[in-house]
Amino acid sequence: DGGITQSPKYLFRKEGQNVTLSCEQNLNHDAMYWYRQDPGQGLRLIYYSQIVNDFQKGDIAEGYSVSREKKESFPLTVTSAQKNPTAFYLCASRELSGEDTQYFGPGTRLTVL
Amino acid sequence: QKEVEQNSGPLSVPEGAIASLNCTYSDRGSQSFFWYRQYSGKSPELIMSIYSNGDKEDGRFTAQLNKASQYVSLLIRDSQPSDSATYLCAVRLSGGNNRLAFGKGNQVVVIP
Repeated sequence: DGGITQSPKYLFRKEGQNVTLSCEQNLNHDAMYWYRQDPGQGLRLIYYSQIVNDFQKGDIAEGYSVSREKKESFPLTVTSAQKNPTAFYLCASRELSGEDTQYFGPGTRLTVL
Repeated sequence: QKEVEQNSGPLSVPEGAIASLNCTYSDRGSQSFFWYRQYSGKSPELIMSIYSNGDKEDGRFTAQLNKASQYVSLLIRDSQPSDSATYLCAVRLSGGNNRLAFGKGNQVVVIP
């Protein structure tokens, strides 16, 4: 099956810990994105990458880091510098030519204890 | 001004009625517009994309675009309880970075 997978589905973090959220896609998409969604809010862009070994900050990059060592993988690390990390995290991907559609993974719900 | 605005509060519609959702955007250079449906606790799924002025129909869904007024709308005909969800309007920003800007969403509740 082709698609985007995110793991884990639920993640609990103690204050002061770094955690890494996984995002993998087998759609051969060039671009990948990380969004954060808070209750009653739209999606806010954290980081995005249009090519391997390159990525750009989105609107709320502070306290987060990413890497893009492989085309199919775009992990997100939530660092201890992120003061309010409890949220629903969504990974997305799309082709950069052809179909102009962004597809989403199932999401990871992060809770800070 | 926010990039994408969806100002309406929760929308309750009787089963079988038409649900109408509106969205305005600020980037005049935007050329691609999307409506996503998001069920509670789930990720967004694309239901419509529209690129040209006018109407685009897909089953019970109709998207309407007016670039001069910077306005996008979604109509859901013959609303079903399964349509109860939050609908997110998204706009691809101009500038060549392929970013989407999202509205906060409109919650639709279809009452049987």
